[in-house]
Amino acid sequence: GAGVSQSPSNKVTEKGKDVELRCDPISGHTALYWYRQSLGQGLEFLIYFQGNSAPDKSGLPSDRFSAERTGGSVSTLTIQRTQQEDSAVYLCASSLVQGAQGYGYTFGSGTRLTVV
Amino acid sequence: AQSVTQLGSHVSVSEGALVLLRCNYSSSVPPYLFWYVQYPNQGLQLLLKYTTGATLVKGINGFEAEFKKSETSFHLTKPSAHMSDAAEYFCAVSANSGYSTLTFGKGTMLLVSP
Repeated sequence: GAGVSQSPSNKVTEKGKDVELRCDPISGHTALYWYRQSLGQGLEFLIYFQGNSAPDKSGLPSDRFSAERTGGSVSTLTIQRTQQEDSAVYLCASSLVQGAQGYGYTFGSGTRLTVV
Repeated sequence: AQSVTQLGSHVSVSEGALVLLRCNYSSSVPPYLFWYVQYPNQGLQLLLKYTTGATLVKGINGFEAEFKKSETSFHLTKPSAHMSDAAEYFCAVSANSGYSTLTFGKGTMLLVSP
């Protein structure tokens, strides 16, 4: 596609429920990244995919968080047993090459997750 | 490892005034440096980047930034603010070799008053 597409744009869920967030990167971009943006905290790195593998998942905050990527394209971030502190905007980005050296990333508009 | 410090969570200017958003970085290797802008309810948009070569880089919407290695800084400037510049601005750094993700600062909200 022309840009990075994320769905849903907004998600309200009850504490303890599981949620899935979807990211569709720019066609041909091999690298995909998930970040979390909380109020006043900037962007927190969660996980990086190169193709279908995740060489860096060091930012996932707990084992309730997982992500996968299939076909070198769409990625899904899953949060199990959601907690109120999971409320944030989850941003996905893609880049043409690994690590984005010098290229920067193209970001989607994000999914705003609210846990009530 | 890299880190970014953005001085001032909020900066207020009048329309037509100079915009100066400060960014200092820490990096154990030569960095690539970026500025992104985020408008309400939108993702981040790349404003400009420094990779190699000229240390003064020009971006979209009249913004520019200068890489100063001796000061480990990459401040963002614009000579004359417009109301449409009101947004949140993020500075980011990555290493210039090997694998490296972008590390972001906490952002600076730019407020522009008439």
